[in-house]
Formats: sequence, C-alpha cells, structure tokens
Amino acid sequence: EAQVTQNPRYLITVTGKKLTVTCSQNMNHEYMSWYRQDPGLGLRQIYYSMNVEVTDKGDVPEGYKVSRKEKRNFPLILESPSPNQTSLYFCASSFLSGTTKNIQYFGAGTRLSVL
Amino acid sequence: KQEVTQIPAALSVPEGENLVLNCSFTDSAIYNLQWFRQDPGKGLTSLLLIQSSQREQTSGRLNASLDKSSGRSTLYIAASQPGDSATYLCAVGGGADGLTFGKGTHLIIQP
Repeated sequence: EAQVTQNPRYLITVTGKKLTVTCSQNMNHEYMSWYRQDPGLGLRQIYYSMNVEVTDKGDVPEGYKVSRKEKRNFPLILESPSPNQTSLYFCASSFLSGTTKNIQYFGAGTRLSVL
Repeated sequence: KQEVTQIPAALSVPEGENLVLNCSFTDSAIYNLQWFRQDPGKGLTSLLLIQSSQREQTSGRLNASLDKSSGRSTLYIAASQPGDSATYLCAVGGGADGLTFGKGTHLIIQP
C-alpha cells in the first residue's frame, strides 16, 4: 500500500531536549516536505526536498533541521525544542514529473507538545 | 506572497443538498490547485488536483473548477452525505515550492 509514514504519532517533550520525527514514503517520490498546522494559521511549510541531498527552506524553517540521505526518508530534527514549536506536523511527498506529478500524499501527522 | 482565503469558514447543511465551497488566491501565477479533505485526528487526503492549464476536474460527486485570471476556485459537492463531514482545504502552488494552504472550510452534513 502506498503511504507516507510518520513516527511518532504523539510526542510530549521538554524544552531543549533534542528530538527527531521520522518520515518515510514507499512511492519512490522525488519531492518530500514538512508542514506544521496551527489553529488560526493553517498549514505552513517548514522545509522541502526535491531529491537526495537537496533541501531548501519553506516559510517557517527557524528552529528546525532536515536531511535527505535516502530517497525514501526525510526526518525533521528539532535540536532545541521550544514551547512555540508545539504543533501538529505533517510530512508529504509527491512526484515532480509524470501524470500524477504534484499530487501530494500526506502522513497521518505527529502531534508534538513541548513543555 | 501568495495568500489563500476560503469562504465560508464553517458550513452546516442537511443531507442531500448540493453545496459549493469557495477558494480565492492573490497571485494568479500558480502551478496547480489542490483540494484536500482532513478528518479529525487524521492526515490530509487529496481530493482533486487542477493543473494551471485546466479549468476543472471531476471525481464522483465532486467537481472543482479553476479560474486563474480571477484567482478563484470552487469545490462543488453534489448530493451531500453525512460521511462528507470534514474540513476541506484549498492549496495552491505545487512544484518545488510546495503548497500555500487556506485555513479551510469546516463542513457538517446533518443526517
């Protein structure tokens, strides 16, 4: 089954404790992206990647890091989480060419609370 | 900077009605427009994608139109059902730069 898998689904942590949210897709998509969703602000892009070893900032990259060492994986790293990073996070992926290009598939989300 | 607005923010209608959700965007130089559905506690499901060169797309009871020049899109839902209750999100952009989302329309279909 084609899917985007995020882990963990729920995470409670404390300020300053480094964490990683994993994202993996099994559709051989070139493009992967991270979004955060906040009440009243909607979904905003954090980082995206067009292929292995190619990453770029989205609209709200501050406080986040990403890496793309393999095509299927795109982890989101919070080196020193702060309470304002409490949010619902989504990973997405898509092809960049072909008949189904740009149809983005989303993971189920990771709800993060930073105390 | 692209801004996407969805109207109404919330809508409650009886089962069986046809309804229209609206989306407007400020920059007409878009790559594509997508409509998503989001259920509580779950991720987003892509419903329809309209490439910038297209005017509309249809899937079952759903029809989405795109008017780039006026910066508008509509999602038409025919013969609504309680299972259609969800938040519907419009997003524009696509390509390498990702998507700019509206804040959504929260739809409730009353049985």
